[in-house]
Amino acid sequence: AQSVTQPDIHITVSEGASLELRCNYSYGATPYLFWYVQSPGQGLQLLLKYFSGDTLVQGIKGFEAEFKRSQSSFNLRKPSVHWSDAAEYFCAVGARGNNDMRFGAGTRLTVKP
Amino acid sequence: EAGVTQFPSHSVIEKGQTVTLRCDPISGHDNLYWYRRVMGKEIKFLLHFVKESKQDESGMPNNRFLAERTGGTYSTLKVQPAELEDSGVYFCASSQKPAGGLRAPDTQYFGPGTRLTVL
Repeated sequence: AQSVTQPDIHITVSEGASLELRCNYSYGATPYLFWYVQSPGQGLQLLLKYFSGDTLVQGIKGFEAEFKRSQSSFNLRKPSVHWSDAAEYFCAVGARGNNDMRFGAGTRLTVKP
Repeated sequence: EAGVTQFPSHSVIEKGQTVTLRCDPISGHDNLYWYRRVMGKEIKFLLHFVKESKQDESGMPNNRFLAERTGGTYSTLKVQPAELEDSGVYFCASSQKPAGGLRAPDTQYFGPGTRLTVL
């Protein structure tokens, strides 16, 4: 079965600084990878997903993620963080043929003014 | 288009009581999922409906949890009797395409969750 590790429970960055959130997955076959964001009082919103093709994936709100098979990673990046990006971010991995996703424990992002 | 909605947003009950959570998926989505997040832990899969049928309920923790989706529209998740360890946030999600074969998983759209506190 697939699994996900998000090593950072909480990250604080200054507004305007760059951001990278780490995600490592474990899955024997081709993974289907997702990043979701949950803002306070909101549901999980899909930021981006990787199924195949170009390993650098662009998402909404200026986020991107890079799939690195050799490192089993799918790190999320943003060049310049905005205060509104403060939220909790979840990496997830799905498997071919089913919709049972595995989520990481989440990384809470705090943005300093 | 309305998103996935969940009711209530927050429920506080005492140990031994019963609670019923409701999820309304996006209209036309045959797939409905329940997930749970216990404080600080990962979001865990509970079960998956395809229309009114349970496709996969391998994540249901025990028989105190009962999920239904009569008519293949909204779903309810009942916890009876509730225990302290049931506290957490219960998420519902829906997706359009069926899973199966060599198909990639469909994007799931999540509701805001129901925060359940058992005292």
